[in-house]
Amino acid sequence: DVVLTQSPLSLSVTLGQPASISCRSSQSLVYSDGNTYLSWFQQRPGQSPRRLIYKVSNRDSGVPDRFAGSGSGTDFTLKISRVEAEDVGVYYCMQGTHWPYTFGQGTKLEIK
Amino acid sequence: EVQLVESGGGLVQPGGSLRLSCAASGFTFSYYWMHWVRQAPGKGLVWVSRTNPDGTSTDFAGSVKGRFTVSRDNAENTVYLQMNNLRADDTAVYFCVRDSHPGSYFGQGTLVSVSS
Repeated sequence: DVVLTQSPLSLSVTLGQPASISCRSSQSLVYSDGNTYLSWFQQRPGQSPRRLIYKVSNRDSGVPDRFAGSGSGTDFTLKISRVEAEDVGVYYCMQGTHWPYTFGQGTKLEIK
Repeated sequence: EVQLVESGGGLVQPGGSLRLSCAASGFTFSYYWMHWVRQAPGKGLVWVSRTNPDGTSTDFAGSVKGRFTVSRDNAENTVYLQMNNLRADDTAVYFCVRDSHPGSYFGQGTLVSVSS
């Protein structure tokens, strides 16, 4: 199975400051159709997960533009340009290129 | 509005069976792959299964292969997860998911507890 390794596993950020989460894959996530199926999910406390980013850098509908995904191959990053209180939760990267799909371990974001 | 509503969770003894249902609305169900994702208490997310739009192809994570099956009724806009020979480590919230590009939706989840 593809292993996704996130870092850091926890993040304490001052409101209005940026945050960055790294996700490294044990193998390339480029699919045979040329797309890279790397997504980012947010799970707020007590809620179901919500996808923020799909195919590396595409924001889902309703996702604020302070969230940005980037990367290629095996190395990916989620950046939040200015953290807000509603961003508290756990963030997961997920690959949908190789079955079984897999998630990273999660990164817990809290406000300092 | 897309809605996914899971049901069927509960307490079951080790070795027992349970069938989860996911009722979908707000989109053309028969067009989409449907998935199940689970989350053990206090733990991360695990993708459990996927099924293609007409239900002829299903795949499972290794940890549940041979014990879980998936079926769907496109006339009823419902996908099912049949879980047999349940173990303590199957204890989790099970989410029904439509994961497409664009458009990803999770249900609210249903809790399955496996314990004697």
